[in-house]
Amino acid sequence: QKEVEQNSGPLSVPEGAIASLNCTYSDRGSQSFFWYRQYSGKSPELIMSIYSNGDKEDGRFTAQLNKASQYVSLLIRDSQPSDSATYLCAVRNSGYALNFGKGTSLLVTP
Amino acid sequence: DTAVSQTPKYLVTQMGNDKSIKCEQNLGHDTMYWYKQDSKKFLKIMFSYNNKELIINETVPNRFSPKSPDKAHLNLHINSLELGDSAVYFCASKPSTGGTNEKLFFGSGTQLSVL
Repeated sequence: QKEVEQNSGPLSVPEGAIASLNCTYSDRGSQSFFWYRQYSGKSPELIMSIYSNGDKEDGRFTAQLNKASQYVSLLIRDSQPSDSATYLCAVRNSGYALNFGKGTSLLVTP
Repeated sequence: DTAVSQTPKYLVTQMGNDKSIKCEQNLGHDTMYWYKQDSKKFLKIMFSYNNKELIINETVPNRFSPKSPDKAHLNLHINSLELGDSAVYFCASKPSTGGTNEKLFFGSGTQLSVL
Protein backbone atom coordinates (compact mmCIF):
# COMPACT_ATOMS: atom_id res chain seq x y z
CA GLN A 1 0.00 0.00 0.00
CA LYS A 2 1.28 3.44 -0.92
CA GLU A 3 2.33 5.47 2.09
CA VAL A 4 0.55 8.50 3.48
CA GLU A 5 2.37 10.01 6.44
CA GLN A 6 1.06 12.32 9.14
CA ASN A 7 2.36 13.43 12.50
CA SER A 8 0.11 11.73 15.03
CA GLY A 9 0.23 14.66 17.47
CA PRO A 10 -1.51 15.64 19.59
CA LEU A 11 -1.33 19.14 18.19
CA SER A 12 -2.53 21.62 20.77
CA VAL A 13 -3.53 25.16 19.78
CA PRO A 14 -5.34 27.89 21.72
CA GLU A 15 -8.82 28.96 20.67
CA GLY A 16 -8.69 31.53 17.88
CA ALA A 17 -5.26 30.45 16.62
CA ILE A 18 -4.38 28.85 13.29
CA ALA A 19 -3.96 25.07 13.33
CA SER A 20 -1.62 23.68 10.69
CA LEU A 21 -1.83 19.99 9.78
CA ASN A 22 0.61 18.33 7.41
CA CYS A 23 0.70 15.23 5.26
CA THR A 24 3.19 13.68 2.83
CA TYR A 25 2.57 10.89 0.34
CA SER A 26 4.83 8.52 -1.54
CA ASP A 27 3.04 7.87 -4.84
CA ARG A 28 3.99 10.56 -7.38
CA GLY A 29 1.08 9.46 -9.57
CA SER A 30 -1.50 10.49 -6.98
CA GLN A 31 -4.12 12.84 -8.33
CA SER A 32 -6.71 13.41 -5.61
CA PHE A 33 -6.20 14.54 -2.03
CA PHE A 34 -8.61 14.83 0.84
CA TRP A 35 -8.94 15.80 4.46
CA TYR A 36 -11.40 13.95 6.64
CA ARG A 37 -12.31 14.85 10.20
CA GLN A 38 -13.15 12.15 12.73
CA TYR A 39 -14.61 12.86 16.14
CA SER A 40 -14.01 10.27 18.84
CA GLY A 41 -16.35 7.31 18.40
CA LYS A 42 -17.71 8.62 15.11
CA SER A 43 -17.10 7.91 11.44
CA PRO A 44 -14.86 10.09 9.25
CA GLU A 45 -16.45 12.98 7.35
CA LEU A 46 -15.01 14.80 4.35
CA ILE A 47 -14.11 18.43 4.98
CA MET A 48 -11.83 19.33 2.05
CA SER A 49 -10.72 17.96 -1.30
CA ILE A 50 -7.98 19.32 -3.55
CA TYR A 51 -6.80 18.20 -6.98
CA SER A 52 -4.37 20.83 -8.30
CA ASN A 53 -1.34 22.63 -6.92
CA GLY A 54 -2.00 25.69 -4.80
CA ASP A 55 -4.53 26.67 -2.19
CA LYS A 56 -8.20 25.94 -1.88
CA GLU A 57 -10.28 27.77 0.68
CA ASP A 58 -13.63 26.85 2.19
CA GLY A 59 -14.73 28.96 5.11
CA ARG A 60 -12.18 28.64 7.91
CA PHE A 61 -10.41 25.77 6.14
CA THR A 62 -7.63 26.05 3.56
CA ALA A 63 -6.09 23.04 1.85
CA GLN A 64 -2.68 23.40 0.24
CA LEU A 65 -1.16 21.03 -2.30
CA ASN A 66 2.40 20.84 -3.62
CA LYS A 67 2.75 17.86 -5.94
CA ALA A 68 6.46 18.46 -6.57
CA SER A 69 7.13 18.09 -2.85
CA GLN A 70 4.38 15.46 -2.43
CA TYR A 71 2.93 17.50 0.38
CA VAL A 72 -0.61 18.37 1.44
CA SER A 73 -1.60 20.60 4.32
CA LEU A 74 -4.73 21.81 6.04
CA LEU A 75 -4.98 25.16 7.79
CA ILE A 76 -7.80 25.87 10.20
CA ARG A 77 -8.20 29.56 10.96
CA ASP A 78 -9.86 30.87 14.13
CA SER A 79 -9.72 27.40 15.68
CA GLN A 80 -12.65 26.48 17.91
CA PRO A 81 -12.91 23.83 20.64
CA SER A 82 -15.39 22.07 18.35
CA ASP A 83 -12.54 21.56 15.86
CA SER A 84 -10.89 19.17 18.34
CA ALA A 85 -10.83 15.86 16.48
CA THR A 86 -8.53 13.57 14.52
CA TYR A 87 -7.78 14.80 10.99
CA LEU A 88 -7.12 12.14 8.40
CA CYS A 89 -5.25 12.85 5.19
CA ALA A 90 -6.35 10.64 2.30
CA VAL A 91 -4.82 10.15 -1.13
CA ARG A 92 -6.18 8.38 -4.19
CA ASN A 93 -3.41 6.91 -6.28
CA SER A 94 -3.77 4.85 -9.44
CA GLY A 95 -6.09 2.43 -7.71
CA TYR A 96 -9.73 2.75 -6.79
CA ALA A 97 -9.53 3.25 -3.05
CA LEU A 98 -8.42 6.06 -0.81
CA ASN A 99 -5.32 5.44 1.27
CA PHE A 100 -5.44 7.16 4.63
CA GLY A 101 -2.71 8.44 6.87
CA LYS A 102 -2.75 7.56 10.56
CA GLY A 103 -4.31 10.90 11.43
CA THR A 104 -3.30 13.91 13.50
CA SER A 105 -5.08 14.54 16.76
CA LEU A 106 -5.95 18.23 17.19
CA LEU A 107 -6.85 19.75 20.55
CA VAL A 108 -8.14 23.32 20.66
CA THR A 109 -7.99 24.70 24.17
CA PRO A 110 -10.38 27.45 25.37
CA ASP B 1 -33.04 8.02 6.26
CA THR B 2 -29.62 6.52 7.09
CA ALA B 3 -27.40 6.61 4.01
CA VAL B 4 -24.94 3.83 4.92
CA SER B 5 -26.03 1.52 7.70
CA GLN B 6 -24.01 -1.19 9.38
CA THR B 7 -25.12 -3.85 11.80
CA PRO B 8 -24.31 -4.67 14.47
CA LYS B 9 -22.79 -1.55 16.04
CA TYR B 10 -21.02 -3.63 18.69
CA LEU B 11 -19.86 -7.22 18.41
CA VAL B 12 -18.20 -9.08 21.28
CA THR B 13 -17.18 -12.65 20.63
CA GLN B 14 -14.73 -15.39 21.56
CA MET B 15 -11.62 -16.38 19.65
CA GLY B 16 -12.31 -19.00 17.00
CA ASN B 17 -15.90 -17.96 16.36
CA ASP B 18 -17.31 -16.96 12.98
CA LYS B 19 -19.18 -13.66 12.66
CA SER B 20 -20.69 -11.42 10.01
CA ILE B 21 -21.13 -7.67 9.67
CA LYS B 22 -23.78 -6.33 7.33
CA CYS B 23 -23.73 -3.11 5.34
CA GLU B 24 -26.41 -1.48 3.24
CA GLN B 25 -26.46 1.84 1.40
CA ASN B 26 -29.56 3.56 0.03
CA LEU B 27 -27.67 6.18 -1.99
CA GLY B 28 -27.62 4.30 -5.29
CA HIS B 29 -23.81 4.23 -5.25
CA ASP B 30 -21.84 1.86 -7.44
CA THR B 31 -18.82 1.33 -5.22
CA MET B 32 -18.61 0.03 -1.70
CA TYR B 33 -15.67 -0.55 0.64
CA TRP B 34 -14.66 -2.17 3.88
CA TYR B 35 -12.08 -0.35 5.98
CA LYS B 36 -10.49 -1.49 9.24
CA GLN B 37 -9.50 1.08 11.88
CA ASP B 38 -7.15 -0.18 14.56
CA SER B 39 -6.67 1.15 18.08
CA LYS B 40 -4.20 3.74 16.81
CA LYS B 41 -6.84 5.16 14.46
CA PHE B 42 -5.14 3.86 11.31
CA LEU B 43 -7.86 3.44 8.68
CA LYS B 44 -6.83 0.75 6.21
CA ILE B 45 -8.64 -0.40 3.06
CA MET B 46 -9.60 -4.07 3.04
CA PHE B 47 -11.92 -4.57 0.08
CA SER B 48 -13.61 -2.61 -2.66
CA TYR B 49 -16.58 -3.71 -4.77
CA ASN B 50 -17.94 -2.03 -7.87
CA ASN B 51 -21.36 -3.16 -9.08
CA LYS B 52 -21.05 -6.38 -7.07
CA GLU B 53 -17.60 -7.20 -8.45
CA LEU B 54 -14.45 -7.31 -6.34
CA ILE B 55 -12.06 -4.55 -7.40
CA ILE B 56 -9.59 -4.35 -4.55
CA ASN B 57 -8.49 -7.05 -2.17
CA GLU B 58 -5.67 -5.75 -0.05
CA THR B 59 -3.44 -8.05 1.93
CA VAL B 60 -6.13 -9.42 4.18
CA PRO B 61 -6.20 -12.95 5.64
CA ASN B 62 -8.48 -15.24 3.69
CA ARG B 63 -10.48 -15.67 6.90
CA PHE B 64 -12.16 -12.44 5.77
CA SER B 65 -14.64 -12.93 2.95
CA PRO B 66 -16.74 -10.11 1.56
CA LYS B 67 -20.02 -10.82 -0.19
CA SER B 68 -22.05 -8.46 -2.31
CA PRO B 69 -25.50 -9.89 -3.12
CA ASP B 70 -26.44 -6.69 -4.93
CA LYS B 71 -25.14 -3.19 -5.52
CA ALA B 72 -26.62 -1.86 -2.29
CA HIS B 73 -25.17 -4.46 0.05
CA LEU B 74 -21.65 -5.48 1.03
CA ASN B 75 -21.35 -7.89 3.92
CA LEU B 76 -18.19 -9.04 5.66
CA HIS B 77 -17.85 -12.55 7.03
CA ILE B 78 -14.95 -13.41 9.32
CA ASN B 79 -13.97 -16.99 10.13
CA SER B 80 -11.93 -18.22 13.08
CA LEU B 81 -11.71 -14.85 14.78
CA GLU B 82 -8.38 -13.88 16.36
CA LEU B 83 -7.48 -11.33 19.02
CA GLY B 84 -5.81 -9.15 16.37
CA ASP B 85 -9.11 -8.80 14.53
CA SER B 86 -10.37 -6.49 17.28
CA ALA B 87 -10.93 -3.12 15.63
CA VAL B 88 -13.62 -0.84 14.26
CA TYR B 89 -14.81 -1.90 10.82
CA PHE B 90 -16.26 0.80 8.58
CA CYS B 91 -18.33 0.28 5.51
CA ALA B 92 -18.27 3.12 2.97
CA SER B 93 -19.67 3.90 -0.44
CA LYS B 94 -19.27 6.41 -3.25
CA PRO B 95 -20.97 7.05 -6.57
CA SER B 96 -18.30 5.92 -9.05
CA THR B 97 -14.95 4.25 -9.37
CA GLY B 98 -13.12 7.15 -10.93
CA GLY B 99 -13.19 10.84 -11.63
CA THR B 100 -13.06 13.50 -9.01
CA ASN B 101 -16.21 12.45 -7.21
CA GLU B 102 -14.33 10.98 -4.31
CA LYS B 103 -16.45 11.71 -1.27
CA LEU B 104 -16.80 8.57 0.78
CA PHE B 105 -19.98 8.10 2.76
CA PHE B 106 -19.15 6.08 5.85
CA GLY B 107 -21.34 3.91 7.98
CA SER B 108 -21.24 4.42 11.74
CA GLY B 109 -18.80 1.55 12.24
CA THR B 110 -18.87 -1.83 13.95
CA GLN B 111 -16.74 -2.18 17.08
CA LEU B 112 -15.50 -5.78 17.08
CA SER B 113 -13.97 -7.11 20.28
CA VAL B 114 -12.47 -10.60 20.25
CA LEU B 115 -11.91 -12.06 23.72
